Amino acid sequence: AQTVTQSQPEMSVQEAETVTLSCTYDTSESDYYLFWYKQPPSRQMILVIRQEAYKQQNATENRFSVNFQKAAKSFSLKISDSQLGDAAMYFCAYRSALGNEKLTFGTGTRLTIIP
Amino acid sequence: EPEVTQTPSHQVTQMGQEVILRCVPISNHLYFYWYRQILGQKVEFLVSFYNNEISEKSEIFDDQFSVERPDGSNFTLKIRSTKLEDSAMYFCATTRDLGTEAFFGQGTRLTVV
Repeated sequence: AQTVTQSQPEMSVQEAETVTLSCTYDTSESDYYLFWYKQPPSRQMILVIRQEAYKQQNATENRFSVNFQKAAKSFSLKISDSQLGDAAMYFCAYRSALGNEKLTFGTGTRLTIIP
Repeated sequence: EPEVTQTPSHQVTQMGQEVILRCVPISNHLYFYWYRQILGQKVEFLVSFYNNEISEKSEIFDDQFSVERPDGSNFTLKIRSTKLEDSAMYFCATTRDLGTEAFFGQGTRLTVV
């Protein structure tokens, strides 16, 4: 079974600075997807960024980018120019590409933005 | 932008009662999921549903739980004889096709007292 580990329960960053959230995963599969979801106080799950394992290029969405290291099974999220609205729980998630479409989540990292 | 809609947003129920949580998927989505998040914990997969049948379920999804799509629109999660430990946020998610992005509803907060 796949597992996702987020070793940082809490992180904080000064507004406008850059922060990196860590995520590692364990799988025997070669084809899969990785995601970062944001959960603000409203508790809705919002997709931040997605990475296909077969793509070597790291995904980027505006201020959000990932560092995907397939051999190391590492998938970190970098948030540049942090804004107050970035404050939330961030969950890393894994999904197989082999028909099993369920998401396996990590335990989350609570990100605080310091004004 | 299309969205997944869940009702109610908050439900309080007495222990032992049955509850039904409802989800309206995005119209052209074919795959449906329920996830649960106990307060302060990670999001856990409960069940996936495709073509009017369960495609996978987790160990959490025991005989107390059931899902159906009775009218072709609403996708429901029924919890029979609720227990205190069923208190959680329940999320519905849908995908258009295999390999596509999962869209989550805003969740239903279930409180069992």
